[in-house]
Amino acid sequence: DVKVTQSSRYLVKRTGEKVFLECVQDMDHENMFWYRQDPGLGLRLIYFSYDVKMKEKGDIPEGYSVSREKKERFSLILESASTNQTSMYLCASSLPRPSSTGELFFGEGSRLTVL
Amino acid sequence: GIQVEQSPPDLILQEGANSTLRCNFSDSVNNLQWFHQNPWGQLINLFYIPSGTKQNGRLSATTVATERYSLLYISSSQTTDSGVYFCAVEMKTSYDKVIFGPGTSLSVIP
Repeated sequence: DVKVTQSSRYLVKRTGEKVFLECVQDMDHENMFWYRQDPGLGLRLIYFSYDVKMKEKGDIPEGYSVSREKKERFSLILESASTNQTSMYLCASSLPRPSSTGELFFGEGSRLTVL
Repeated sequence: GIQVEQSPPDLILQEGANSTLRCNFSDSVNNLQWFHQNPWGQLINLFYIPSGTKQNGRLSATTVATERYSLLYISSSQTTDSGVYFCAVEMKTSYDKVIFGPGTSLSVIP
């Protein structure tokens, strides 16, 4: 089974802190994604990466950066956390398109609260 | 960018009832997936269905790509079907970039 593991299920941070959210997948997937989920808004794409050291902005990249130094690991970084970044963060991975179906596999999510 | 709409936003069903969830998208897509998010937050892929019809047990899905919509059918609903259902599309102009709709929140009551 594909496993996508997010490092923390629950985090509480203070405004201005630097926050790292880590995601590791064990299926050798090229693509990895970070989404945030807020009530009524569904999942919104922050960043995705289609290869090591490659990244593309999603729909809401402001206030976030990412790092992909190894194929299995994709990190989301909040340089200076703000209260409007309180949210559920979901990591996903997939094989690349069009050579595969592009089926997404998700981690369990990291619920971040910024005080 | 592409717009993805889902209806209804909320749905309450008696156990055993059937339901249809709809996903509309504003532009051509390469791919469409349906997901179920359980009450603990875990997202599970239900269907990969860029076109046509698929069935998996009590669930089935139909995508009519030319008319830009997809339907998810749940028959004989069970309390374990509760959660949020999302459709997600891959834009025609950008392989791999997957955009989600706002979801349909389903509650199945005994």
